[in-house]
Amino acid sequence: ETGVTQTPRHLVMGMTNKKSLKCEQHLGHNAMYWYKQSAKKPLELMFVYSLEERVENNSVPSRFSPECPNSSHLFLHLHTLQPEDSALYLCASSQDDSAATDTQYFGPGTRLTVL
Amino acid sequence: GDSVTQMEGPVTLSEEAFLTINCTYTATGYPSLFWYVQYPGEGLQLLLKATKADDKGSNKGFEATYRKETTSFHLEKGSVQVSDSAVYFCALSGSGNTGKLIFGQGTTLQVKP
Repeated sequence: ETGVTQTPRHLVMGMTNKKSLKCEQHLGHNAMYWYKQSAKKPLELMFVYSLEERVENNSVPSRFSPECPNSSHLFLHLHTLQPEDSALYLCASSQDDSAATDTQYFGPGTRLTVL
Repeated sequence: GDSVTQMEGPVTLSEEAFLTINCTYTATGYPSLFWYVQYPGEGLQLLLKATKADDKGSNKGFEATYRKETTSFHLEKGSVQVSDSAVYFCALSGSGNTGKLIFGQGTTLQVKP
């Protein structure tokens, strides 16, 4: 059983809606990540948080806005999305964001469809 | 920049066949190497990893050896089962003293009874 949970598991939204994805980790980790998984493309790292501070933002459009209120919770706020933003959004956590040997633990993902 | 290349899929095998999924990488420094697996409708799970050259990672009958000379980390299993049907991702991290993961594009494995 995964120590990383994500809600909702499925989300359908219009281009003018505002919604949020939630991730929670129960592993006592210090780093959390958002990834985007689109069909036929490698996983794309979007954001990295370490000890609640954003340490990486991979040129993600401003219509995606992350928030990390504490080391156990991570949100991805969505507004005015485009149909090409439809994808599986995966959250992950690891003990430390700078240790090359650390394993990242993934949640089940939120399947987002933008109409 | 760093990158990971996996063999194109899908790979279709009969149960009990031998599996190889090729993975090669380009990186500066000395990365750690990982194989993750994604079962239908689920997130990614770590399958195995190796953190230095010549290390062999193994789990659930799967193995991969970190080959620095050929910059490869091929995944193998001697006898696949239907339950192994999934998408397999090769990844690297740490070539720049960072835990950032760089993934290959994934290889879909279908095992038929």
